[in-house]
Amino acid sequence: DQQVKQNSPSLSVQEGRISILNCDYTNSMFDYFLWYKKYPAEGPTFLISISSIKDKNEDGRFTVFLNKSAKHLSLHIVPSQPGDSAVYFCAGGTSYGKLTFGQGTILTVHP
Amino acid sequence: NAGVTQTPKFQVLKTGQSMTLQCAQDMNHEYMSWYRQDPGMGLRLIHYSVGAGITDQGEVPNGYNVSRSTTEDFPLRLLSAAPSQTSVYFCASCPAAGGNTEAFFGQGTRLTVV
Repeated sequence: DQQVKQNSPSLSVQEGRISILNCDYTNSMFDYFLWYKKYPAEGPTFLISISSIKDKNEDGRFTVFLNKSAKHLSLHIVPSQPGDSAVYFCAGGTSYGKLTFGQGTILTVHP
Repeated sequence: NAGVTQTPKFQVLKTGQSMTLQCAQDMNHEYMSWYRQDPGMGLRLIHYSVGAGITDQGEVPNGYNVSRSTTEDFPLRLLSAAPSQTSVYFCASCPAAGGNTEAFFGQGTRLTVV
């Protein structure tokens, strides 16, 4: 029973274009959602989050959209840069910092 | 500026051996947790702690023990290693419950059980 799903294992985009990473969830009890970025041989690093009562949060080039009725969230990166190439995980959070992660999407940004 | 520190970074164990993965944080965070990352499965929660002396099970707790005697340290013990425990292990800490509470992760321990 996967509560958080990232159905695209990989995404390839051109530098300067928009990257859109998608995530679906089934657990309505998540209080918030987060996106993490992970480079090989490193731990995940926090990127951006959104409360379950919001529908959009923006931070520089990164915007997260939440559609509660569809139980869907997405991360938009504009413009994409080669340094954005990494694995991106979405996660749903409840109290005590317990996170449920999706499988991850490998983003490759080509120069 | 250490954040979350995990040791060792790499470990090879024989089936049946025991070992402890160490995790320490210097941010005075109340909440700490252990995750394992396996190919195609994201990160899965093993155990977590909401403060010194308090621990609870996550999604995949079998074969692992934890304790939390201090705020700073949250070791993960493998009692009798099995090949199914070959994975990359991440420790995380979190300042408080609720809200958009991000967790800070260590760099990971890559464990191979042969």
